[in-house]
Amino acid sequence: AQTVTQSQPEMSVQEAETVTLSCTYDTSESDYYLFWYKQPPSRQMILVIRQEAYKQQNATENRFSVNFQKAAKSFSLKISDSQLGDAAMYFCACLIIQGAQKLVFGQGTRLTINP
Amino acid sequence: KAGVTQTPRYLIKTRGQQVTLSCSPISGHRSVSWYQQTPGQGLQFLFEYFSETQRNKGNFPGRFSGRQFSNSRSEMNVSTLELGDSALYLCASSREGTASGNTIYFGEGSWLTVV
Repeated sequence: AQTVTQSQPEMSVQEAETVTLSCTYDTSESDYYLFWYKQPPSRQMILVIRQEAYKQQNATENRFSVNFQKAAKSFSLKISDSQLGDAAMYFCACLIIQGAQKLVFGQGTRLTINP
Repeated sequence: KAGVTQTPRYLIKTRGQQVTLSCSPISGHRSVSWYQQTPGQGLQFLFEYFSETQRNKGNFPGRFSGRQFSNSRSEMNVSTLELGDSALYLCASSREGTASGNTIYFGEGSWLTVV
């Protein structure tokens, strides 16, 4: 069974600064995907970034980037130039590529942006 | 392109009743999965359907069931509702079989309150 752990229940950052959210995972599978989702107060789960496990290059989407350390099973999210609209719950999730499409989520990190 | 659509968005039921939630996936997506989100348990996988077949089921009692239709639309049903079933129920879809097929997109959720 796979597990995903987010060790930071809450984080805060000043507007325009950079913040890093941590995530570790555990799986015995070799083929999987990792995701960061954002859930604002509306509770809509919004995809932030995706990383294929077979790719060594870290994924980047505008101000969002990841540090994927496969051997360490670590997948952190870096948000640069933080904006007020980035305030939300952030969930790290792992998808095993075998049969059913089933995401395993971490417990989430609540990110607050201070103006 | 329309996203994942869930109906109803909000509903209140009484203990012992049953409820049916509906989900229309993104056009072309054949995999539909359901998740329950509660403050105590976080995000938990309920089940996943692909081409009208249930491929995987989470650790939930038999009161939770689902189905998928030939047009990929899905419904989930909870019978004999309990107070603990109060939660946000999220539906998600993915295309599968393509380079980006292993990305899962979520609907806005259905808020269920059991009184």
